[in-house]
Amino acid sequence: IAGITQAPTSQILAAGRRMTLRCTQDMRHNAMYWYRQDLGLGLRLIHYSNTAGTTGKGEVPDGYSVSRANTDDFPLTLASAVPSQTSVYFCASRKTSGHTDTQYFGPGTRLTVL
Amino acid sequence: GQNIDQPTEMTATEGAIVQINCTYQTSGFNGLFWYQQHAGEAPTFLSYNVLDGLEEKGRFSSFLSRSKGYSYLLLKELQMKDSASYLCAVMDSNYQLIWGAGTKLIIKP
Repeated sequence: IAGITQAPTSQILAAGRRMTLRCTQDMRHNAMYWYRQDLGLGLRLIHYSNTAGTTGKGEVPDGYSVSRANTDDFPLTLASAVPSQTSVYFCASRKTSGHTDTQYFGPGTRLTVL
Repeated sequence: GQNIDQPTEMTATEGAIVQINCTYQTSGFNGLFWYQQHAGEAPTFLSYNVLDGLEEKGRFSSFLSRSKGYSYLLLKELQMKDSASYLCAVMDSNYQLIWGAGTKLIIKP
């Protein structure tokens, strides 16, 4: 089934622990994104990748890192989690075709850092 | 700075029409997007406007005025399943999406 998958669905993590959120797409989209969504705020871009082998920083990159070894996978790592990283994390990929432009979202990972 | 403004919450009646407004100030413009997000779920794409005017897609229409930095999403013949948050986003000069905080739409019978 075409789309984006994320794992885990939810996680409770102790502060100071390392955590990797996984994201995989099978639509062969070049561009991928990681967002966090917090109550009362819009989605905020953490990191992005325009194509395999390249990554860039978004609006709120501190405390997070990403890699893009191939087209399908775009993992997000929290090196040492802090409570302010409690959030819902969405991975997305972008399709551009003619005069349409769409980002497709994964189901999200709900992360709680205690 | 970059800013997207939309109302926090709106209430409408089943079968009626509702208009959700969005104003924006961004560094560059490469399109305006509307997404729907049901509680606990991921956002799903509704519409994309890059030129001024109205785009109609079934019960949903989206309007853009680039000179005014303004868009609206119009929902007709409201159904209970339309209860959701509606997110406005603008693609800036770096082709990144800047998101509004979303408008929670409550539909009453």
